[in-house]
Amino acid sequence: GAVVSQHPSWVICKSGTSVKIECRSLDFQATTMFWYRQFPKQSLMLMATSNEGSKATYEQGVEKDKFLINHASLTLSTLTVTSAHPEDSSFYICSARQLATPPDTQYFGPGTRLTVL
Amino acid sequence: LAKTTQPISMDSYEGQEVNITCSHNNIATNDYITWYQQFPSQGPRFIIQGYKTKVTNEVASLFIPADRKSSTLSLPRVSLSDTAVYYCLVGENQGGKLIFGQGTELSVKP
Repeated sequence: GAVVSQHPSWVICKSGTSVKIECRSLDFQATTMFWYRQFPKQSLMLMATSNEGSKATYEQGVEKDKFLINHASLTLSTLTVTSAHPEDSSFYICSARQLATPPDTQYFGPGTRLTVL
Repeated sequence: LAKTTQPISMDSYEGQEVNITCSHNNIATNDYITWYQQFPSQGPRFIIQGYKTKVTNEVASLFIPADRKSSTLSLPRVSLSDTAVYYCLVGENQGGKLIFGQGTELSVKP
């Protein structure tokens, strides 16, 4: 099956610093990737849609200047949390859409645990 | 986007068949139904996907009635390792984003 990786798997940073999270589709090309955030005991919340070669589309309420998304190639999207604060501590998960004869399917990465001190 | 409704939690015992039903009354013609499984601190794992009638793979079966307003995920002979949260999602084929609902927390007991 399709494999999506994320790096790092966990990160601890100080308040005010920026953190970059990578999402890679390992065995397929993904023109579209998605970024989610999940707080403890809650469901996944879609943050943004990342399209290769174009600007990301952010969901309502998600600050685009705080959560910078770059989709530079068909296998890599990055999420940068800028000027992180403790309230940004969460589990960040990406997914990549594998296009196929209908239907296409989203495959998820293992997630990145961000802790901001 | 079609909204889904699932039971918040279910309990079962090892070896039993578990059926989780999801309601999606506003499903659109182009929408597919996809189920994911999520363990704590892991990303969701694809289980099964379907459009209508019945789909079966090595892990589960998915039953979709003719009106497509609901779907049922069937897990045969569950084990303790099937304890997880199961999400039913409805999304447009070819590019639609997926919006997660609450999911069903399945607890399998010995």
